[in-house]
Amino acid sequence: SQTIHQWPATLVQPVGSPLSLECTVEGTSNPNLYWYRQAAGRGLQLLFYSVGIGQISSEVPQNLSASRPQDRQFILSSKKLLLSDSGFYLCAWSPPGGEVGELFFGEGSRLTVL
Amino acid sequence: GQNIDQPTEMTATEGAIVQINCTYQTSGFNGLFWYQQHAGEAPTFLSYNVLDGLEEKGRFSSFLSRSKGYSYLLLKELQMKDSASYLCAVRDSNYQLIWGAGTKLIIKP
Repeated sequence: SQTIHQWPATLVQPVGSPLSLECTVEGTSNPNLYWYRQAAGRGLQLLFYSVGIGQISSEVPQNLSASRPQDRQFILSSKKLLLSDSGFYLCAWSPPGGEVGELFFGEGSRLTVL
Repeated sequence: GQNIDQPTEMTATEGAIVQINCTYQTSGFNGLFWYQQHAGEAPTFLSYNVLDGLEEKGRFSSFLSRSKGYSYLLLKELQMKDSASYLCAVRDSNYQLIWGAGTKLIIKP
Protein backbone atom coordinates (compact mmCIF):
# COMPACT_ATOMS: atom_id res chain seq x y z
CA SER A 1 0.00 0.00 0.00
CA GLN A 2 1.04 3.58 -0.55
CA THR A 3 2.14 5.86 2.28
CA ILE A 4 3.29 9.45 2.50
CA HIS A 5 5.38 11.01 5.22
CA GLN A 6 6.46 14.56 5.79
CA TRP A 7 8.62 16.16 8.46
CA PRO A 8 9.15 17.92 10.69
CA ALA A 9 5.64 18.04 12.16
CA THR A 10 6.17 21.30 13.99
CA LEU A 11 8.83 23.98 13.83
CA VAL A 12 9.35 27.49 15.09
CA GLN A 13 11.79 29.60 13.13
CA PRO A 14 13.00 33.20 13.37
CA VAL A 15 12.44 35.63 10.52
CA GLY A 16 15.25 35.42 8.01
CA SER A 17 16.21 31.84 8.80
CA PRO A 18 16.18 29.04 6.20
CA LEU A 19 13.54 26.34 5.86
CA SER A 20 13.51 22.78 4.66
CA LEU A 21 10.45 20.54 4.74
CA GLU A 22 10.75 17.04 3.35
CA CYS A 23 8.15 14.64 1.99
CA THR A 24 8.54 11.06 0.80
CA VAL A 25 6.07 8.67 -0.79
CA GLU A 26 6.30 4.89 -0.68
CA GLY A 27 4.53 2.17 -2.59
CA THR A 28 4.03 3.95 -5.91
CA SER A 29 6.14 5.07 -8.84
CA ASN A 30 6.20 8.43 -10.64
CA PRO A 31 3.51 10.03 -8.48
CA ASN A 32 2.34 13.60 -8.96
CA LEU A 33 3.54 15.53 -5.92
CA TYR A 34 2.20 18.73 -4.39
CA TRP A 35 3.00 21.27 -1.72
CA TYR A 36 0.05 23.17 -0.27
CA ARG A 37 -0.20 25.84 2.40
CA GLN A 38 -3.28 26.19 4.58
CA ALA A 39 -3.85 29.48 6.37
CA ALA A 40 -6.57 29.92 8.98
CA GLY A 41 -9.93 30.67 7.36
CA ARG A 42 -8.67 30.17 3.83
CA GLY A 43 -8.72 27.37 1.31
CA LEU A 44 -5.72 25.23 0.54
CA GLN A 45 -3.26 27.18 -1.57
CA LEU A 46 -1.24 25.21 -4.10
CA LEU A 47 2.41 26.25 -3.92
CA PHE A 48 4.20 23.76 -6.16
CA TYR A 49 3.46 20.59 -8.05
CA SER A 50 5.65 18.10 -9.84
CA VAL A 51 4.92 15.42 -12.41
CA GLY A 52 8.44 13.97 -12.44
CA ILE A 53 12.03 14.26 -11.23
CA GLY A 54 13.33 17.79 -11.68
CA GLN A 55 9.98 19.02 -13.03
CA ILE A 56 8.56 21.70 -10.77
CA SER A 57 5.70 24.07 -11.48
CA SER A 58 5.25 27.09 -9.25
CA GLU A 59 1.77 28.41 -8.72
CA VAL A 60 2.47 31.36 -6.45
CA PRO A 61 5.47 33.73 -6.71
CA GLN A 62 7.11 33.96 -3.31
CA ASN A 63 10.32 33.30 -1.45
CA LEU A 64 9.73 29.55 -1.35
CA SER A 65 11.18 26.96 -3.70
CA ALA A 66 10.70 23.25 -4.25
CA SER A 67 12.86 20.45 -5.53
CA ARG A 68 12.33 16.82 -6.49
CA PRO A 69 15.74 15.15 -6.37
CA GLN A 70 14.29 11.63 -6.47
CA ASP A 71 11.09 10.14 -7.85
CA ARG A 72 9.35 9.92 -4.48
CA GLN A 73 10.98 12.81 -2.62
CA PHE A 74 9.70 16.38 -2.59
CA ILE A 75 11.38 19.18 -0.67
CA LEU A 76 10.08 22.66 0.18
CA SER A 77 12.73 25.25 0.96
CA SER A 78 13.30 28.88 1.73
CA LYS A 79 16.52 30.83 2.12
CA LYS A 80 14.97 33.54 4.30
CA LEU A 81 11.63 33.10 6.01
CA LEU A 82 9.09 35.89 6.32
CA LEU A 83 6.42 36.30 8.99
CA SER A 84 3.81 35.66 6.31
CA ASP A 85 5.26 32.19 5.70
CA SER A 86 3.66 30.92 8.91
CA GLY A 87 1.03 28.29 8.28
CA PHE A 88 0.22 24.63 7.94
CA TYR A 89 2.10 23.01 5.06
CA LEU A 90 0.80 19.88 3.45
CA CYS A 91 2.49 17.54 1.04
CA ALA A 92 0.25 15.38 -1.14
CA TRP A 93 0.48 12.86 -3.95
CA SER A 94 -1.85 11.60 -6.65
CA PRO A 95 -1.50 8.73 -9.13
CA PRO A 96 0.57 9.49 -12.26
CA GLY A 97 -1.21 10.77 -15.33
CA GLY A 98 -2.64 14.01 -16.61
CA GLU A 99 -5.65 14.30 -14.37
CA VAL A 100 -5.68 15.27 -10.73
CA GLY A 101 -7.54 12.51 -9.01
CA GLU A 102 -7.97 11.91 -5.35
CA LEU A 103 -5.18 13.47 -3.31
CA PHE A 104 -3.44 11.68 -0.46
CA PHE A 105 -1.99 14.03 2.10
CA GLY A 106 0.93 13.78 4.47
CA GLU A 107 0.57 14.52 8.17
CA GLY A 108 1.29 18.23 7.74
CA SER A 109 3.98 20.57 9.08
CA ARG A 110 3.02 23.53 11.22
CA LEU A 111 5.45 26.41 10.75
CA THR A 112 5.53 29.43 13.03
CA VAL A 113 7.81 32.27 12.02
CA LEU A 114 8.61 34.71 14.83
CA GLY B 1 -12.06 34.81 -10.85
CA GLN B 2 -12.62 31.39 -9.40
CA ASN B 3 -14.56 31.07 -6.20
CA ILE B 4 -15.76 28.35 -3.85
CA ASP B 5 -18.24 29.33 -1.13
CA GLN B 6 -19.19 27.27 1.88
CA PRO B 7 -20.40 28.27 5.36
CA THR B 8 -17.65 28.97 7.86
CA GLU B 9 -19.18 27.02 10.73
CA MET B 10 -22.18 24.83 11.50
CA THR B 11 -23.46 23.20 14.67
CA ALA B 12 -25.52 20.02 14.88
CA THR B 13 -26.63 17.48 17.47
CA GLU B 14 -25.37 13.95 17.86
CA GLY B 15 -27.64 11.53 16.01
CA ALA B 16 -29.11 14.21 13.75
CA ILE B 17 -28.61 15.01 10.06
CA VAL B 18 -26.66 17.97 8.70
CA GLN B 19 -26.25 19.34 5.17
CA ILE B 20 -23.14 21.35 4.24
CA ASN B 21 -23.55 23.40 1.08
CA CYS B 22 -20.94 24.42 -1.44
CA THR B 23 -21.39 26.78 -4.38
CA TYR B 24 -18.74 27.34 -6.99
CA GLN B 25 -17.80 29.58 -9.88
CA THR B 26 -14.85 28.18 -11.78
CA SER B 27 -13.24 28.18 -15.20
CA GLY B 28 -14.73 24.93 -16.37
CA PHE B 29 -15.67 21.90 -14.33
CA ASN B 30 -14.12 18.46 -14.15
CA GLY B 31 -15.40 17.13 -10.86
CA LEU B 32 -16.06 18.13 -7.28
CA PHE B 33 -14.44 16.62 -4.18
CA TRP B 34 -15.29 16.62 -0.49
CA TYR B 35 -12.58 16.11 2.11
CA GLN B 36 -12.75 15.78 5.88
CA GLN B 37 -10.09 17.41 8.05
CA HIS B 38 -9.86 16.93 11.79
CA ALA B 39 -8.16 19.73 13.70
CA GLY B 40 -4.41 19.68 13.27
CA GLU B 41 -4.52 16.79 10.83
CA ALA B 42 -4.34 16.32 7.07
CA PRO B 43 -7.49 16.23 4.89
CA THR B 44 -8.84 12.81 3.92
CA PHE B 45 -10.95 12.05 0.87
CA LEU B 46 -14.71 11.59 1.36
CA SER B 47 -16.43 11.75 -2.01
CA TYR B 48 -16.23 12.68 -5.68
CA ASN B 49 -19.02 13.88 -8.01
CA VAL B 50 -18.66 14.58 -11.71
CA LEU B 51 -22.24 13.93 -12.90
CA ASP B 52 -25.43 15.43 -11.52
CA GLY B 53 -27.10 13.52 -8.75
CA LEU B 54 -26.50 11.89 -5.42
CA GLU B 55 -23.57 9.67 -4.48
CA GLU B 56 -24.12 7.70 -1.31
CA LYS B 57 -21.37 6.19 0.82
CA GLY B 58 -22.55 4.89 4.16
CA ARG B 59 -23.62 7.73 6.45
CA PHE B 60 -22.26 10.30 4.00
CA SER B 61 -23.85 11.40 0.72
CA SER B 62 -22.81 14.06 -1.75
CA PHE B 63 -25.03 15.79 -4.29
CA LEU B 64 -24.10 17.78 -7.39
CA SER B 65 -25.98 20.14 -9.71
CA ARG B 66 -23.65 21.39 -12.42
CA SER B 67 -26.22 23.80 -13.88
CA LYS B 68 -26.56 25.52 -10.51
CA GLY B 69 -22.87 25.32 -9.55
CA TYR B 70 -23.95 23.67 -6.33
CA SER B 71 -23.11 20.70 -4.20
CA TYR B 72 -23.91 19.53 -0.71
CA LEU B 73 -22.53 16.96 1.68
CA LEU B 74 -25.13 15.20 3.79
CA LEU B 75 -24.08 13.54 7.03
CA LYS B 76 -26.58 11.24 8.73
CA GLU B 77 -26.66 9.74 12.23
CA LEU B 78 -24.05 12.21 13.39
CA GLN B 79 -21.38 11.00 15.75
CA MET B 80 -19.04 13.03 17.92
CA LYS B 81 -16.13 11.91 15.76
CA ASP B 82 -17.72 13.75 12.81
CA SER B 83 -16.65 17.02 14.41
CA ALA B 84 -14.20 18.30 11.81
CA SER B 85 -13.82 20.72 8.95
CA TYR B 86 -15.29 19.71 5.59
CA LEU B 87 -13.53 21.01 2.51
CA CYS B 88 -15.15 21.40 -0.90
CA ALA B 89 -12.83 21.43 -3.93
CA VAL B 90 -13.56 21.77 -7.65
CA ARG B 91 -11.34 20.59 -10.48
CA ASP B 92 -11.31 23.25 -13.17
CA SER B 93 -10.76 23.08 -16.93
CA ASN B 94 -6.99 22.92 -16.38
CA TYR B 95 -7.50 19.96 -14.02
CA GLN B 96 -6.32 22.04 -11.09
CA LEU B 97 -8.12 21.86 -7.76
CA ILE B 98 -9.73 25.03 -6.40
CA TRP B 99 -10.41 24.76 -2.67
CA GLY B 100 -13.03 26.30 -0.45
CA ALA B 101 -12.04 27.59 2.99
CA GLY B 102 -13.86 24.71 4.67
CA THR B 103 -16.85 24.38 6.99
CA LYS B 104 -16.15 23.67 10.64
CA LEU B 105 -18.78 21.28 11.92
CA ILE B 106 -19.37 21.18 15.67
CA ILE B 107 -21.31 18.23 17.06
CA LYS B 108 -23.03 18.67 20.40
CA PRO B 109 -24.22 15.76 22.57
